[in-house]
Amino acid sequence: GQQLNQSPQSMFIQEGEDVSMNCTSSSIFNTWLWYKQDPGEGPVLLIALYKAGELTSNGRLTAQFGITRKDSFLNISASIPSDVGIYFCAGQLLQGGSEKLVFGKGTKLTVNP
Amino acid sequence: GAVVSQHPSRVICKSGTSVKIECRSLDFQATTMFWYRQFPKQSLMLMATSNEGSKATYEQGVEKDKFLINHASLTLSTLTVTSAHPEDSSFYICSARQGFEQYFGPGTRLTVT
Repeated sequence: GQQLNQSPQSMFIQEGEDVSMNCTSSSIFNTWLWYKQDPGEGPVLLIALYKAGELTSNGRLTAQFGITRKDSFLNISASIPSDVGIYFCAGQLLQGGSEKLVFGKGTKLTVNP
Repeated sequence: GAVVSQHPSRVICKSGTSVKIECRSLDFQATTMFWYRQFPKQSLMLMATSNEGSKATYEQGVEKDKFLINHASLTLSTLTVTSAHPEDSSFYICSARQGFEQYFGPGTRLTVT
């Protein structure tokens, strides 16, 4: 089945530093989504990417959809303590007549003040 | 916009009993909702796709007679865990699709004793 390889698995950074994480796959996806999940909560959508090569920003977050539709990265600039959480990439594809999301394993971000 | 709620947020039940979890899209209509399961420190695993007015589509390995899904309206899907066992203890999260994006509920923590 489809798999998303997300890296790094965890990151420990100082407040103010920039962060970069990425996902790769052997499969092609129609849409790429980045989510953040806080402990005990559901994932919150951060950025959605629809076109190959698309670069999209949302405040301090920037994400790009790879030109081959098989990868994406998420950058967070000038990190702050509330950026702490688990970030998931998710690729959306059409399978069995319905759109499904395949999730990466997540990147756990810790920001030291 | 795009708010999804779940009820209850936490439930403890005895082995052998059934538990119903509700998922509601509060400010939009969703013809398609999804049910996921998440074990501690793991990613989200799709259990089933819930389509309004028709039968749910289950992922491979998910028992449809154990995890009953009903999508009776454009804003409500329910997941009933029947004859629950301790191994069913998990974090259950629903999502609702709006356009090309999925918005997640806050999750339901199920503990079976």
